[in-house]
Amino acid sequence: SAVISQKPSRDICQRGTSLTIQCQVDSQVTMMFWYRQQPGQSLTLIATANQGSEATYESGFVIDKFPISRPNLTFSTLTVSNMSPEDSSIYLCSVEESQSPGGANVLTFGAGSRLTVL
Amino acid sequence: GNSVTQMEGPVTLSEEAFLTINCTYTATGYPSLFWYVQYPGEGLQLLLKATKADDKGSNKGFEATYRKETTSFHLEKGSVQVSDSAVYFCARGGGYQKVTFGTGTKLQVIP
Repeated sequence: SAVISQKPSRDICQRGTSLTIQCQVDSQVTMMFWYRQQPGQSLTLIATANQGSEATYESGFVIDKFPISRPNLTFSTLTVSNMSPEDSSIYLCSVEESQSPGGANVLTFGAGSRLTVL
Repeated sequence: GNSVTQMEGPVTLSEEAFLTINCTYTATGYPSLFWYVQYPGEGLQLLLKATKADDKGSNKGFEATYRKETTSFHLEKGSVQVSDSAVYFCARGGGYQKVTFGTGTKLQVIP
């Protein structure tokens, strides 16, 4: 399965600043996904990033707050803009892979970026 | 919309105890079903999956059976170990359906 590298793995940020998270995949993938996992909660899909087009955002998430880049088939970035303490979360990059012909597509995740906003 | 409901944790068990974590899903379409595991400080990893009714997914001693009649996908293990301590997420979807995750169940296994 794909190997996904995310950085930073963790960071402590000041209110009002922005931070960009990078996601590198060791193979070419069509779609990359960005999730947020708030403390003690499940995963929420932020957006789907396709190469060569604008990201598709889920309800409750907007491009101004979470701009995404997808310059090629192996790389994406997510920026968390104008951060507040409510943005303290783990942010996870993910790709979808087909396990076998006719098999289920499964998600493979990076290790996550844990952001703490003071 | 599509949703997944799993039992709330935390679940605390002694080593070698039997584990069941309940999961039910909304039956819209023909989703694939998954269990993911998140060990402390790590991202999610696929534990097992099932793609159609009556399929049984299994891995590392864990099993779950896709039950269409009860819309359930309960996770079981006959004898848990301390190293199984983690958060377990049930999920549905895949393919043309977005993946929807349950809220996660924290398992703590004590020696």
